[in-house]
Amino acid sequence: EAQVTQNPRYLITVTGKKLTVTCSQNMNHEYMSWYRQDPGLGLRQIYYSMNVEVTDKGDVPEGYKVSRKEKRNFPLILESPSPNQTSLYFCASSLSQSSYEQYFGPGTRLTVT
Amino acid sequence: EDQVTQSPEALRLQEGESSSLNCSYTVSGLRGLFWYRQDPGKGPEFLFTLYSAGEEKEKERLKATLTKKESFLHITAPKPEDSATYLCAVLRNYKLTFGKGTLLTVNP
Repeated sequence: EAQVTQNPRYLITVTGKKLTVTCSQNMNHEYMSWYRQDPGLGLRQIYYSMNVEVTDKGDVPEGYKVSRKEKRNFPLILESPSPNQTSLYFCASSLSQSSYEQYFGPGTRLTVT
Repeated sequence: EDQVTQSPEALRLQEGESSSLNCSYTVSGLRGLFWYRQDPGKGPEFLFTLYSAGEEKEKERLKATLTKKESFLHITAPKPEDSATYLCAVLRNYKLTFGKGTLLTVNP
């Protein structure tokens, strides 16, 4: 089954404790992206990757890091999480940078206390 | 700065009562406009891509249209299972900018 998976689905952590949210797709997609969704603010892009080893900032990249060492994986790293990073996070992928039919993962609900 | 505004924020319809959702945008160099459906607690699900003014696309009870400044999502004879949040997004370069969505509720 073609899908985007994220882990963990739910995470409660404390300020400053490094964490990684994994994202994996099995569709051989080139383009992958991370979003956060907050009430009243909608979906905002954090980082995106057009292919392996090619990443760029979205609209809200501060406090986040990404890497794309393999085509199927695009982890989101929070080096020192803060409470304002409490949010619902989505990973998405699409076939290429010119095909924007994006497939979204199920979401990761992160709470930073 | 790219802006996407969706209206209304919420819409309540009776089953069978047709209506339209609006997405207005300001972006230079638009490469595409996208409609997604999002159910509570789930990731957005792709519906349509529109690339140029005058383009229309249909899927079951949904029809999306595009002008130079806005897009409409027309819902014909909706059913309760059409209840969801509908999101539009605009693409410029390689970045997608989303609107805040319209929460549609269809009562039986």
